[in-house]
Amino acid sequence: SQTIHQWPATLVQPVGSPLSLECTVEGTSNPNLYWYRQAAGRGLQLLFYSVGIGQISSEVPQNLSASRPQDRQFILSSKKLLLSDSGFYLCAWSSTRIANNEQFFGPGTRLTVL
Amino acid sequence: LAKTTQPISMDSYEGQEVNITCSHNNIATNDYITWYQQFPSQGPRFIIQGYKTKVTNEVASLFIPADRKSSTLSLPRVSLSDTAVYYCLVGDNNNDMRFGAGTRLTVKP
Repeated sequence: SQTIHQWPATLVQPVGSPLSLECTVEGTSNPNLYWYRQAAGRGLQLLFYSVGIGQISSEVPQNLSASRPQDRQFILSSKKLLLSDSGFYLCAWSSTRIANNEQFFGPGTRLTVL
Repeated sequence: LAKTTQPISMDSYEGQEVNITCSHNNIATNDYITWYQQFPSQGPRFIIQGYKTKVTNEVASLFIPADRKSSTLSLPRVSLSDTAVYYCLVGDNNNDMRFGAGTRLTVKP
């Protein structure tokens, strides 16, 4: 069966500090991968998606970046965090075999920037 | 990208049937309609997906009229544990589908 991992579960960081969130998927190959952010009481905002190693599509301009160094690894980074980066970060995967197949979400990382 | 419109919130009572309607007037020919459920501090979970008419699974039913400009998620006999946010997404590719604000359903005893 497939599983998706995210870490850390919670993170408190000062403004201006760097960020690295990691997501890994097990039990599938060549998945589509997604990073979402959810501000308190709001819907999910798609930040990045990837259809393959080294292939990253960015949805909104921001001080965040994403990388996919391995097939089942997706990393979200920032060089300098802003207060507005606080939120609940979710990684998801879906099968590439079916374009609109369901997305499977990880447990999320709650980031607080102080 | 097809835009969706849902009620911001709904209240119901245990044992009732709940119908959440989503409007998607500019849905494209190849677009599917997908619904997700999200509990606090968790990622969304897929509920149901359909293209036209009616789809039913062990959790919910999805009704789609012939013009496909709207869809209705039906939850039979809700319980307190169905309190969650429900999202309607429209698209033919996950990369083009977007989560809106969703509908916050509160089930009361």
